[in-house]
Amino acid sequence: AQSVAQPEDQVNVAEGNPLTVKCTYSVSGNPYLFWYVQYPNRGLQFLLKYITGDNLVKGSYGFEAEFNKSQTSFHLKKPSALVSDSALYFCAVRAQRGSQGNLIFGKGTKLSVKP
Amino acid sequence: DAGVTQSPTHLIKTRGQQVTLRCSPKSGHDTVSWYQQALGQGPQFIFQYYEEEERQRGNFPDRFSGHQFPNYSSELNVNALLLGDSALYLCASSRTRGRVSSGGSADTQYFGPGTRLTVL
Repeated sequence: AQSVAQPEDQVNVAEGNPLTVKCTYSVSGNPYLFWYVQYPNRGLQFLLKYITGDNLVKGSYGFEAEFNKSQTSFHLKKPSALVSDSALYFCAVRAQRGSQGNLIFGKGTKLSVKP
Repeated sequence: DAGVTQSPTHLIKTRGQQVTLRCSPKSGHDTVSWYQQALGQGPQFIFQYYEEEERQRGNFPDRFSGHQFPNYSSELNVNALLLGDSALYLCASSRTRGRVSSGGSADTQYFGPGTRLTVL
């Protein structure tokens, strides 16, 4: 069965410091991996995805994520956090084969960036 | 270019009633997926529609049904509402037809703002 784990319910970072939001996954075969951000009372906004190739993926708003196959991880990173980055972040996975539509989401990590 | 739109924004129903939620996909997209997001949880996949047919379904009872129209818009219907159906219902659109890679499931799903359903 496919699954996603986001081990931290909340991450607190000072503005200007680097941030990391952790994600590990379990899937049969090779994965497609996604990060989404959700602001209060809003839908999910796509940040970035890993399909194949370079393990470091760059996305919107200065975010990037590193795919690590041996550790089955896909951590979200940003070199310098902004207060406006405060939101709920979701990691999602889909198996490359046999799963045309089904995104499996983690429970989310609340990111709080303080001035 | 309009993104994914959903209506209504909010809805309040009582137990046992029926509800219909609507979704219009992003321009150029032909596939619609529906998710349920309970408070404090990640979205859970309900089902996906493509070519006016349900292509894949998650672990939801038959009370949850849907429809896709020729213009690719979609409806989610929930019958015999339960208190536990209270959630944010998210619609996501993506493109299946004419995709470049053979790995079609890599297509990004773009989400609408959601419909907040409260069942009393």
